[in-house]
Amino acid sequence: NAGVMQNPRHLVRRRGQEARLRCSPMKGHSHVYWYRQLPEEGLKFMVYLQKENIIDESGMPKERFSAEFPKEGPSILRIQQVVRGDSAAYFCASSLEGLANYGYTFGSGTRLTVV
Amino acid sequence: SQQGEEDPQALSIQEGENATMNCSYKTSINNLQWYRQNSGRGLVHLILIRSNEREKHSGRLRVTLDTSKKSSSLLITASRAADTASYFCATDTSGGSNYKLTFGKGTLLTVNP
Repeated sequence: NAGVMQNPRHLVRRRGQEARLRCSPMKGHSHVYWYRQLPEEGLKFMVYLQKENIIDESGMPKERFSAEFPKEGPSILRIQQVVRGDSAAYFCASSLEGLANYGYTFGSGTRLTVV
Repeated sequence: SQQGEEDPQALSIQEGENATMNCSYKTSINNLQWYRQNSGRGLVHLILIRSNEREKHSGRLRVTLDTSKKSSSLLITASRAADTASYFCATDTSGGSNYKLTFGKGTLLTVNP
């Protein structure tokens, strides 16, 4: 029973390139969340998705960032034209339903380094 | 201070001692959760306490919640070297969202063998 799978674990991109981060939720989980963690900081909410729907993207920067969770396949967080400030750890979490009774299950994260 | 702020920022103890970490928050909450993060890894959910609960236990963990003071504490008893990690509290804020967590910056716990 695999947990939340994220890949790649580490990603290095030059400024201006695109970064694609993938997240496969736990089996049976239809709710996916993306969080970003800057060095020495706690996690910051970015976006909440269900299959084929963006429920809340209030934590996403308005430009260059997008997320999707298609009917088939993993959720993708896409960052276009990356800048040094995008360097961070990006975590995906999934849940069976809302958070009322359960915590999140997090993946191990993708550490993005922009050079 | 921000929602879900942990105190202390860093804590160093000897194996076998108890470790207490505190968390303060500002707005009303549906529940409060504690997570552990080992260096370079993802977060592991430890325990969730609802706003109408005052205390909860799970193994060597004890969590308290005081909604009047908007604070929570996490106690780890009989600590082990393997407990070395960062510990975060996260609040599920009101407003009907019931899905968005606000994390603090964490407490870095070091348990020395």
